[in-house]
Amino acid sequence: EDKVVQSPLSLVVHEGDTVTLNCSYEVTNFRSLLWYKQEKKAPTFLFMLTSSGIEKKSGRLSSILDKKELFSILNITATQTGDSAVYLCAVEKGNYQLIWGAGTKLIIKP
Amino acid sequence: DAGVIQSPRHEVTEMGQEVTLRCKLISGHNSLFWYRQTMMRGLELLIYFNNNVPIDDSGMPEDRFSAKMPNASFSTLKIQPSEPRDSAVYFCASGDGGRSYNEQFFGPGTRLTVL
Repeated sequence: EDKVVQSPLSLVVHEGDTVTLNCSYEVTNFRSLLWYKQEKKAPTFLFMLTSSGIEKKSGRLSSILDKKELFSILNITATQTGDSAVYLCAVEKGNYQLIWGAGTKLIIKP
Repeated sequence: DAGVIQSPRHEVTEMGQEVTLRCKLISGHNSLFWYRQTMMRGLELLIYFNNNVPIDDSGMPEDRFSAKMPNASFSTLKIQPSEPRDSAVYFCASGDGGRSYNEQFFGPGTRLTVL
């Protein structure tokens, strides 16, 4: 059965800290892995990863994929209170389905 | 572009009533996904369409749920009869499927409460 597991389930840090969020997967016919940020409403897209070892960056956020060990990490450096959100990982299969993880709830304290 | 449009934004209804949720895709997109999100179960894919055709409806909970795409830009998700356990936020997302897509664009969601 396809599954995507995120850890930790929740995380509380102080502003300025660096955090690493984990996503491991067991999915047949892997095509890509995606990270989303969900604040109060709908998820918004962060990254799509298809190749191992190539880091994607956007400001203080970065992500990398390891297709051999079947995981991805999302790093956020110099965290700010606006980074507080649920971060969702999803794996895309060849038939356009996305298998979603349960999310990591990140809380940044001032 | 207005993005994905969902209506209503909030719906409160009584058990047994029919509920219809609506979604308008982003112009030019041809993939449509209906999701349900609850605290207990997280985000669940209910059904997705490609070029108006339902490709996978294995996530639809049971016969009480049905989804349609009467045209290329519009979809409905109907629950009949509704039950309290259907209470959730229902998201619609569109994408430019037909190839590996970079992202789905989510609508703002419909918060459904069934009393």
